[in-house]
Amino acid sequence: SAVISQKPSRDICQRGTSLTIQCQVDSQVTMMFWYRQQPGQSLTLIATANQGSEATYESGFVIDKFPISRPNLTFSTLTVSNMSPEDSSIYLCSVSGGAAGELFFGEGSRLTVL
Amino acid sequence: TQLLEQSPQFLSIQEGENLTVYCNSSSVFSSLQWYRQEPGEGPVLLVTVVTGGEVKKLKRLTFQFGDARKDSSLHITAAQPGDTGLYLCAGYSMEYGNKLVFGAGTILRVKS
Repeated sequence: SAVISQKPSRDICQRGTSLTIQCQVDSQVTMMFWYRQQPGQSLTLIATANQGSEATYESGFVIDKFPISRPNLTFSTLTVSNMSPEDSSIYLCSVSGGAAGELFFGEGSRLTVL
Repeated sequence: TQLLEQSPQFLSIQEGENLTVYCNSSSVFSSLQWYRQEPGEGPVLLVTVVTGGEVKKLKRLTFQFGDARKDSSLHITAAQPGDTGLYLCAGYSMEYGNKLVFGAGTILRVKS
């Protein structure tokens, strides 16, 4: 298993501003995943972050809106840019650690955009 | 269209009751995982099933993988308030590029 720490755990932001979420893992991992989740609902994959290369984004998500950094094998950041109320959500960082590709998640960052 | 259909979407029961959550698909999955998520936390893996017909037990929770590997179920016996949370099934299927696919989730509330 892996221990994943996310910061901030929650934040309230103004429309038009940007917020960077940090994700720290206690072990080296090749891929880190960023998900978005509305409270009580399922997870939507935003992008996969690989160390040393650009992140791979899923359909509906673009780098200009959600730039990702992956400077080393234990750390990644996700920025939510030019925020609007529609970006209010929980953002989760995860890594794969099991033999069958199971995921381990951070505690999530709950973002509210006013 | 959800690639993994979960039902029910919401379940509110009394402590001590039994319940079953279903996860169905028209596609074959190489494995299925079940997660539980409590408010303010990330999902936590409960179990992975990989073999068709497999049954796994985790205390009062019983997980089953369908023979054809297209469906799975989670049965909770004598539910307790601590079982309250969002239950998510997820799996890998070659039909979806071998990316982890999540079901829509089942919100379970167990009242004391």
